[in-house]
Formats: sequence, structure tokens, C-alpha cells
Amino acid sequence: AQSVAQPEDQVNVAEGNPLTVKCTYSVSGNPYLFWYVQYPNRGLQFLLKYITGDNLVKGSYGFEAEFNKSQTSFHLKKPSALVSDSALYFCAVREDSNYQLIWGAGTKLIIKP
Amino acid sequence: NAGVMQNPRHLVRRRGQEARLRCSPMKGHSHVYWYRQLPEEGLKFMVYLQKENIIDESGMPKERFSAEFPKEGPSILRIQQVVRGDSAAYFCASSPGGQHNQPQHFGDGTRLSIL
Repeated sequence: AQSVAQPEDQVNVAEGNPLTVKCTYSVSGNPYLFWYVQYPNRGLQFLLKYITGDNLVKGSYGFEAEFNKSQTSFHLKKPSALVSDSALYFCAVREDSNYQLIWGAGTKLIIKP
Repeated sequence: NAGVMQNPRHLVRRRGQEARLRCSPMKGHSHVYWYRQLPEEGLKFMVYLQKENIIDESGMPKERFSAEFPKEGPSILRIQQVVRGDSAAYFCASSPGGQHNQPQHFGDGTRLSIL
């Protein structure tokens, strides 16, 4: 069965420090992986995706994520956090042969000035 | 703005009334997904539709809930005889047809409150 785990409910980072939001997944076939961000009272905004190719993918707002097949992980990273990065972050996975997106429970990212 | 449009943004209903939530997908998108989100929680899949077809409604309660995506006009999520437990944010997402490596694009949601 497909599943996504975001092991941290909340991540606290000081402004200017690097940040990592963790995501691990489980699928039978090849994974399509996505990160989304949600600001208060808004819908989810697409940040980046991994389909194939380079394991390091770059996305919006300076975010990047590294696909690690052996560890079945797709952690979201940013070298230098901004206060405006504070939001809810969701990881999602889809098997290449399946339309349905499986969502993680979300990680609240708090960036302190 | 060519994004996914949902209306209304906020909807208040009394118990027993009907709630109708509308979603216009992005231009050129023929696939629509509905999700439900409770405060501080993730998304729960409800239903996946293409024009005039329900592809997967496995996440939708069998009673009181229905969804449609007609040939013309927006997709509608309908909740009959609402109860307090229906209070949530309901999000619609759309994607181009047939390409599962494409991201879904989300509207800003409808926040449903049941009095």
C-alpha cells in the first residue's frame, strides 16, 4: 500500500539557518513525489516535484528537495530560512501507474526572527 | 487570474440544510479532485472527476454527499442535511488530463461552518 510519513508535526528554525522538512514514502512502483506549501486560510501551492532524473530538484522560493531511493525519502530543504517561510508543508506521493496522490499529515514550519 | 476558483470562500449553514460548493478548474484542465481538511490536519481525498464522469468516489461518504462535473460549468460538491461534523475546509484541485506526473493546482477552499 502507498503511504507517506512526515515524522515531525512541527519544525522550529531560526531565521537565516538552513531548514529541513522530512518526508519518507512507500510505493510499489516508481514514485512521483511532490511538495506543497499552505499559508493560513489559503489553498496548497505547488513547490516542486521529482519524477525522474536528477535526485536534487529545485523549486519555488529557493526550496529544493533530494530524492533518495535507498532511504525512500524526499526531504525538503532551504539553505537560509526566512520568516515568511513559516507555513504548513505537505509531502505527497503517487505511483507512476496510479492517479491518486497520497498525502502526508503535514509539518508546521516556524521560522523565528 | 486563471487559477482554480472556488466559491463561496465561506459558507454557513444550519443543521439539516444543504451546502453547495463550486469549483472552476484551471483553464484547460479536465480533471478535478475534491479534498476535505480539518484544522491543523492533512488533506483527505474525497472524489476524483473528469468531465461528466466520476472516476473515484472512494473517499466520499455514501450518504448525503455527492459530486458532479458537468460538461458545462463548474464542478459541484453537494452536502445534504448537513451536520456539525461536516464543518471543515473543502479544497478543489485540478490537473490536465491523463498526465499523472503533473502537479495538482488548488483553489483557496470553501470553509464550511455548521451552526
